[in-house]
Amino acid sequence: DQQVKQNSPSLSVQEGRISILNCDYTNSMFDYFLWYKKYPAEGPTFLISISSIKDKNEDGRFTVFLNKSAKHLSLHIVPSQPGDSAVYFCAGDLNAGNMLTFGGGTRLMVKP
Amino acid sequence: DSGVTQTPKHLITATGQRVTLRCSPRSGDLSVYWYQQSLDQGLQFLIQYYNGEERAKGNILERFSAQQFPDLHSELNLSSLELGDSALYFCASSVGNRRGEIYEQYFGPGTRLTVT
Repeated sequence: DQQVKQNSPSLSVQEGRISILNCDYTNSMFDYFLWYKKYPAEGPTFLISISSIKDKNEDGRFTVFLNKSAKHLSLHIVPSQPGDSAVYFCAGDLNAGNMLTFGGGTRLMVKP
Repeated sequence: DSGVTQTPKHLITATGQRVTLRCSPRSGDLSVYWYQQSLDQGLQFLIQYYNGEERAKGNILERFSAQQFPDLHSELNLSSLELGDSALYFCASSVGNRRGEIYEQYFGPGTRLTVT
């Protein structure tokens, strides 16, 4: 049972445009959601998080939106830069203590 | 560089064998987490230790075990290896583990295990 799903395995965007990465979840017990970025041959790197009691969190070019009724979250990157090209994972965190459940990832390619 | 180190980087072994993966957390971090990333399963949480004690368990097989030592480094032991155990194994660390609070997890570069 996949509790966190990223239905788009890849996304291609032009430099300067907006990148929107989507994530759906089934477990309503998640109380935090996180986005991680992963470059090849490296471990995932934390990007941004959002509490389940909020609907938006912004950090520079990155904004995460949470729609609890739809059990959906999205990561917006504006403007997209070639250095943003990586695999992005969303994850849900249960109150059991930072036990992350990851989605399958979306590969973002930002073209110059 | 996240500050989390993992050794070895690559490991090739045969079915039925046993291996030990090692992780050193960031300085000051008390929590260590182990994850498995395989092609068909994505990134899956295995187990977490906090200051030497097991704190949470995910989908970890009985053939796998882990421990965290007094110096806070951790080892993941994989035994009776099968072809399906071939994967990237990541270790992550964080400062604490207070329920209800979010702590950023810092990931190491991973150990790639190939079972032949």
